[in-house]
Formats: sequence, structure tokens, C-alpha cells
Amino acid sequence: EVQLVETGGGVMRPGGSVRLSCAASGFIFEHYGMTWVRQVPGKGLEWVSGINWNGDNRRYRDSVKGRFTISRDNAKNSLYLQMNSLKDEDTAFYFCARVAAGSWRELDYWGQGNLVTVSS
Amino acid sequence: DIQMTQSPSSLSASVGDRVTISCRASQAISKYLNWYQQRPGKAPKLLIYGASTLQTGVPSRFSGNASGTEFTLTINSLQAEDFATYYCQESYSSPLYTFGQGTKLEIK
Repeated sequence: EVQLVETGGGVMRPGGSVRLSCAASGFIFEHYGMTWVRQVPGKGLEWVSGINWNGDNRRYRDSVKGRFTISRDNAKNSLYLQMNSLKDEDTAFYFCARVAAGSWRELDYWGQGNLVTVSS
Repeated sequence: DIQMTQSPSSLSASVGDRVTISCRASQAISKYLNWYQQRPGKAPKLLIYGASTLQTGVPSRFSGNASGTEFTLTINSLQAEDFATYYCQESYSSPLYTFGQGTKLEIK
């Protein structure tokens, strides 16, 4: 059974840092691209960052470029999101999701989400 | 950047009804359009990918269609568990993705 479990959220100060982790199981992690998607409570879904299978292709939405870093450790079956210089508007649930192996690049499995609250 | 315009933003219907949700892309995206269902407090769940292919385990009352840059999600014979929020998403730009604004389907 495919499982994605996010950890690392909590309450952070503006300007602070946090690292989210996503532990993957039930599939060959190194075969798949991965993404982070966030959702402000009560609002819609917003793609944040993506990484290909070996980590040599990483992309970010403009609002997090230079502040967030996506990475992965295939030996540990884990995905990470290092979030620096946090802003109030980064407050959201953060989901990790797997990019399906087929042609359409859909997100076929999601974690349960992890809340990051940025507040002074 | 590709923009995805989803409509309506909310919809009221009854069990047994048929409903259609629309999504328009700002440019051609072929069939790189996916639909997700999200129940309150839960992660999104993939329903349809490639505009019209049902994800394994998704009931056949869900269907997707494409015409140019216009995409639709249709739910036939609504069941109680279908009342949720639905999102379209383009994956043409992958690894970048854009979601529609969401459609909240509520019980009338």
C-alpha cells in the first residue's frame, strides 16, 4: 500500500525556518517525481514545488523561489521541503504528493497534510 | 503561465442528481487535465487523469470530457459521499502545476 506521511509542521515566527519531511512507503520511491502542494485553511490548492526522480530538476512557484528548497533522499525514501524566511502567507496545510509514472503526470497519491502556521 | 478557470464555485444538488463542473484552460493543454475530490479535513483524491481516464477504484458515475481547452467533470446519480470540493488541475506544465479554484458541491 502506497503511503506518504508528512511531519515537521507547527507554529513558526515570521522570518523563521522549518523543514517538512515526507516519508514514503509501499512503492519504489526513486522511480517517481514528487511534489509539494499547499492549502490555506478554507481555500484552494496551490502547487509549491516539484522534484524529479534523482533531484536534478527542481521547480518552485515564484512566491517561494529563493526561500524554499525541495530535496529528496532516495536511500531513506524521503522528500523534504526546507522553508526559510517564512512569511504570514506561507501559513497552510502542506501536502506531499507522488507524480504518477504514466503519460499524464497526475498526482496519484497524497499525504495527509501537515499544518505550518506562521505567526508572531 | 497557464490559468485554469473552474466553474461554478459552488453548486447545490440532491442525491440522485446529475451535475457537471467545468474547467477552462487559458491555452491548449492537450489532455493534460486531472480532477480531484477533496472531502473536509482530508487530502485530495485523484478521480480522473488525462481528461477522461478514471483512476482505479473510482466509481463509474464519474466521467470526464474534453473539447479543446474546455473540460468537464460529470457525476451521474449523486451519492451522499460525493458531496465534497472538486478541483481541476493542468499537468501540461509539469513539473509546474496549476489548479482551478475549486467547486464546492453541497446538498440541496
